[in-house]
Amino acid sequence: QLQLQESGPRLVKPSETLSLTCTVSGGSISSPSYDWGWVRQPPGKGLEWIGSIYFSGSTYYNPSLKSRVAVSVDTSKNQFSLRLSSVTAADTAVYYCARHIQRAVAGYNWFDPWGQGTLVTVSS
Amino acid sequence: QSVLTQPPSASGTPGQRVTISCSGSSSNIGSNTVNWYQQLPGTAPKLLIYSNNQRPSGVPDRFSGSKSGTSATLAISGLQSEDEADYYCAAWDDSLNGVVFGGGTKLTVL
Repeated sequence: QLQLQESGPRLVKPSETLSLTCTVSGGSISSPSYDWGWVRQPPGKGLEWIGSIYFSGSTYYNPSLKSRVAVSVDTSKNQFSLRLSSVTAADTAVYYCARHIQRAVAGYNWFDPWGQGTLVTVSS
Repeated sequence: QSVLTQPPSASGTPGQRVTISCSGSSSNIGSNTVNWYQQLPGTAPKLLIYSNNQRPSGVPDRFSGSKSGTSATLAISGLQSEDEADYYCAAWDDSLNGVVFGGGTKLTVL
């Protein structure tokens, strides 16, 4: 059974870079059938897609965050990571990683399964 | 302001059938499939419906999805107290070249 687990600092100072890692177990991140993505949820608010990556390293990002986001993959560790730079209080959220089944050409995409999420607070 | 529009709340009594709508445009729901996620209180979202009307293994057939034009609907029949949760629709958006979510609907079982 595929499982994902987020890890990283829970407190980040304004203007610094938020860094999170997602460790995948029960399956290979190098499977050619899947992408891997990040989604966040500010406290009390809805879901926002951040970006996704294919095992080869090709990425695609939410246009509203693109200038600050970088997603990378480490196939040797079966992990993928998120970096969000120049953070502000508005970036305080629960950050989820998830397997992203995506075929834009065919018109379908969904996230399944999801990690449990980790709350990252931006504060001095 | 979410790209996909959902009612903020919905409610029903046990055993009732409730529906939740999700409205989009030609660049998202109109040209791509819709997914629904269930988020129970304090937990991560869970895939409920994918590709408009497909249920993942383990999801009861009380949950169903449909799509027409630029709108989609999640229906829950035989409402149960454990269905009380937030529900989100999502789709790929060709204009934004990314995933868009609805703002979420909080379902209350009275």
